[in-house]
Amino acid sequence: DTGVSQDPRHKITKRGQNVTFRCDPISEHNRLYWYRQTLGQGPEFLTYFQNEAQLEKSRLLSDRFSAERPKGSFSTLEIQRTEQGDSAMYLCASSAGFLYGYTFGSGTRLTVV
Amino acid sequence: GNSVTQMEGPVTLSEEAFLTINCTYTATGYPSLFWYVQYPGEGLQLLLKATKADDKGSNKGFEATYRKETTSFHLEKGSVQVSDSAVYFCALGLEDTDKLIFGTGTRLQVFP
Repeated sequence: DTGVSQDPRHKITKRGQNVTFRCDPISEHNRLYWYRQTLGQGPEFLTYFQNEAQLEKSRLLSDRFSAERPKGSFSTLEIQRTEQGDSAMYLCASSAGFLYGYTFGSGTRLTVV
Repeated sequence: GNSVTQMEGPVTLSEEAFLTINCTYTATGYPSLFWYVQYPGEGLQLLLKATKADDKGSNKGFEATYRKETTSFHLEKGSVQVSDSAVYFCALGLEDTDKLIFGTGTRLQVFP
């Protein structure tokens, strides 16, 4: 297993455009998490899935953000009508249960210009 | 609410010096506590954890003890190496919410 993969590694987009990120978790992990990290800050929770069910969404996740995890495998995070404030590193992690710890991907760095 | 507070960085040390990075927490229940490390250009990695009071987590020469009375989980290492240069994140997790809450991170710089 190669760990958690995120694609793309970097994305530069113009304000107002839509972007979609993909995360492929460790196959044995039923939990998948999305976090956002800005410069000098720790990761902030956005949402998480157990299998295909989205169990919690943060208030940080406005209605421009949507996440899916069809069939409980990979996940996508879409941001519609991007704003400059969306510029950040978007992190995906998977876990067999939080007591086991998370395995993080390397992240997708989004820059909105 | 639930939160984690870490000491401001950067922490700058010479090789073989003793390291302490302070972490305190506020939680409404009985959290598990974690330290994650982020090396330059890499994703966050679990360094160590403790799931109940007085537990000591340890890995790669790093240690942290879960102190309920002081709501702390300070990270220590007796002799740091240049390769320990990274950003260290303290985090808490509550089983009923099944997610981690992270501190802001502390950058460690070790010079030869």
